Amino acid sequence: EADIYQTPRYLVIGTGKKITLECSQTMGHDKMYWYQQDPGMELHLIHYSYGVNSTEKGDLSSESTVSRIRTEHFPLTLESARPSHTSQYLCASSPGGIITGELFFGEGSRLTVL
Amino acid sequence: GQNIDQPTEMTATEGAIVQINCTYQTSGFNGLFWYQQHAGEAPTFLSYNVLDGLEEKGRFSSFLSRSKGYSYLLLKELQMKDSASYLCAVLADSWGKLQFGAGTQVVVTP
Repeated sequence: EADIYQTPRYLVIGTGKKITLECSQTMGHDKMYWYQQDPGMELHLIHYSYGVNSTEKGDLSSESTVSRIRTEHFPLTLESARPSHTSQYLCASSPGGIITGELFFGEGSRLTVL
Repeated sequence: GQNIDQPTEMTATEGAIVQINCTYQTSGFNGLFWYQQHAGEAPTFLSYNVLDGLEEKGRFSSFLSRSKGYSYLLLKELQMKDSASYLCAVLADSWGKLQFGAGTQVVVTP
């Protein structure tokens, strides 16, 4: 069973607030990812990391930022939330290596910005 | 650009078989994944194909043809709990970035 955790699971906040979505994994995986998913739509990669101090932007442009100071922790931050940021955010991790295997997903953080 | 297509929805009865097709056009190919996602939950890994042919795992099988840019997921002996969205995803590079299709919602009826 995968050990990857996201908090909060649900968050409703007002426009202009700063928020941080937490993601932690205890599997020692080097690679971590943030995906954004709207209802009935595909997952879009917004950030990824290949290890400590490595972060890259994904295919979908996002105003959020990420950091990777520790292997197990990959938080996502929105400095000033807007209604357009309302979505589900899924964190995932996978073992390192040249060809990556399956992704282990967290339960997701469903964000609503009023 | 990247393009991964799969049907939006399929309906089948309990005990039946359903085949979910996925076609892809990506800049690279290092494998194709199928994930299952129940409503409100995280996706879970079902299968991985990197070579042409059929991979069988219990009631689920996945097929790949790289020359045709085509895969399918076969669900046999359908159960009510199989009602979920099934996501086709392509590993287009060697660094683990998956490109996902929009998913196929499978509805299993009694």
